[in-house]
Order: sequence, then C-alpha cells, then structure tokens
Amino acid sequence: GAVVSQHPSWVICKSGTSVKIECRSLDFQATTMFWYRQFPKQSLMLMATSNEGSKATYEQGVEKDKFLINHASLTLSTLTVTSAHPEDSSFYICSAPTGSYEQYFGPGTRLTVT
Amino acid sequence: GENVEQHPSTLSVQEGDSAVIKCTYSDSASNYFPWYKQELGKRPQLIIDIRSNVGEKKDQRIAVTLNKTAKHFSLHITETQPEDSAVYFCAANDFGNEKLTFGTGTRLTIIP
Repeated sequence: GAVVSQHPSWVICKSGTSVKIECRSLDFQATTMFWYRQFPKQSLMLMATSNEGSKATYEQGVEKDKFLINHASLTLSTLTVTSAHPEDSSFYICSAPTGSYEQYFGPGTRLTVT
Repeated sequence: GENVEQHPSTLSVQEGDSAVIKCTYSDSASNYFPWYKQELGKRPQLIIDIRSNVGEKKDQRIAVTLNKTAKHFSLHITETQPEDSAVYFCAANDFGNEKLTFGTGTRLTIIP
C-alpha cells in the first residue's frame, strides 16, 4: 500500500503553547488529506479535510482558529494546535487517499499537554 | 451525513474459529466500504475493502460481504490466529467523496 508519514510521533508541550504536526505522502501525491483525532478506546473522529491550494474544510464543532491546517504541497499537510490545553491531549492521525478511494494513515502523533 | 453503526463492540473467539463483525450505514449513495485493523498505539491499516458494485470480496482468510438493499456489510475472518487480535473499524464514504465515516470499532480477542 501507499506510505504516509507523520512527524513527530509524540510531543509533550506546556499549556498555552502551539504544536505543529506534519503529514507527508511519501510515494504518491495527495490533493486531499484528512486529519483525525482519536481518544483512548474510541473511534476515529474526522476533524477536517485538508485541500491543496485552498482552505481546509472543518467538521462541525471543530474550531478552525484552534486547529490550523495548511496543505503546502501535494505531499505535505500540517496541523497546528494553537494555544494547546490539557483537553487537547489526544492521538492525532492523518490520512491520504490515493485517488481511488483507498485511504492510508500516518503513524499518528500522541500529543500530551501539561 | 453518513452514519455507521458497528457491532459487536467486543468479540472473543477461540483460536481457529471464525469471527464476524457487522456494520450498517445510512447513506444509500455510499459506494466504498473499507475495513481497518488497528493495534494498540499504531495506525489503522487497511485490510480489505469493497465497492458498491460487488457483493463479496475475499483475500485469504478475510472476506467482506455487502448488502446494498439492507445497507449493511460484514467482515469475516476465518481460521483466526492470535495475531488477529486488534480493534477493527468499518467505514463508509460519502458518495463521490473520499471522506470516510467510521464505525465505533470492535475489539477482537483471539483466545489461544
């Protein structure tokens, strides 16, 4: 299958700071990428759709000013969690579709806000 | 939007037996139904998928069936092995869209 990388794999930050997470498609181009959030023992909740060359589309209830998404190129999307708080601690995963609906996930980033 | 329900939430199966996980979806226009396996702390991995123009698909010990009329699809794992223990998620897409809605997951435990 296609390869998607994500960096960093884990990060600890202090409350009020911002954290940037990168998602890259390594062997294919992705005009669209998706960002999910997963709490322990729960399902994947879509946060937003990242669109290359245009604004991201956010799901209902997701604060676009808090979760900034930039799709800088056909292989890179970034998620910045601004002014992070302990309740933002979670597992953040990106995914990229290959163009035939198949979607491959990055390894995830575990964010802990202290 | 799409709504996906998944059952059961937990499933324990004796090694060598079969396991079946079922999902229902709400949007009759959905046309892509993947299944993912997620081990603890790791990324979901695509294990099999089915499109709306097919009723069944098989890949070694794994098979997926789709009933469009009833709007449900199922994952079948035969001859289960300890390494099949994981959380399994079904998903369905929005028609013409690559956005997926996921089920709530099934924690499968294979008992040696």
